Amino acid sequence: NAGVMQNPRHLVRRRGQEARLRCSPMKGHSHVYWYRQLPEEGLKFMVYLQKENIIDESGMPKERFSAEFPKEGPSILRIQQVVRGDSAAYFCASSPFWDNRNYYGYTFGSGTRLTVV
Amino acid sequence: DQQVKQNSPSLSVQEGRISILNCDYTNSMFDYFLWYKKYPAEGPTFLISISSIKDKNEDGRFTVFLNKSAKHLSLHIVPSQPGDSAVYFCAASGFMAGSARQLTFGSGTQLTVLP
Repeated sequence: NAGVMQNPRHLVRRRGQEARLRCSPMKGHSHVYWYRQLPEEGLKFMVYLQKENIIDESGMPKERFSAEFPKEGPSILRIQQVVRGDSAAYFCASSPFWDNRNYYGYTFGSGTRLTVV
Repeated sequence: DQQVKQNSPSLSVQEGRISILNCDYTNSMFDYFLWYKKYPAEGPTFLISISSIKDKNEDGRFTVFLNKSAKHLSLHIVPSQPGDSAVYFCAASGFMAGSARQLTFGSGTQLTVLP
């Protein structure tokens, strides 16, 4: 049972280009979350999605960032016209439907390290 | 507004001794608390959790204590081992929009266990 798969592991983009980060949740998980970790900082929530729905995007920058989780295929975090300040590690996590009996939180992927040059 | 705070960015402990990592929260709606461990270039991995109806949960060398009145939790690792050296994130959970939960993370504490 594969875990949360993120690709690419490393992504280098020039300023002004677009970055696309992909995340395939664990089998059976219907909820996907994106977090960003800036250098020397903790994990900051960006967006929470279910299939074909954005549930909460309160952590997403208002411009240039978008996320989707289509009916088929991985979740995509898209950053348009990247700037140096977008350089960070982006982590995707997934979870199943909430179960009161046993809560293990999220399962995280290994992350995509975006470097903007 | 930081709802989950880890005030110690780093902690060094001698091998075999106890490591105590602390975390404070402000939102009284949080009802589950978790600790994650993160190695460099890897994603965080779940370590241990505690429900707000409990004040202690133990799993091997790891014990989490919750003091609801003080809105404080701590992670104890005993005995500490060099392989425990990692960044430890405290996280808190409450029901948000949708049917699953959101986690709010602290800024992390770098634990270094010295041989």
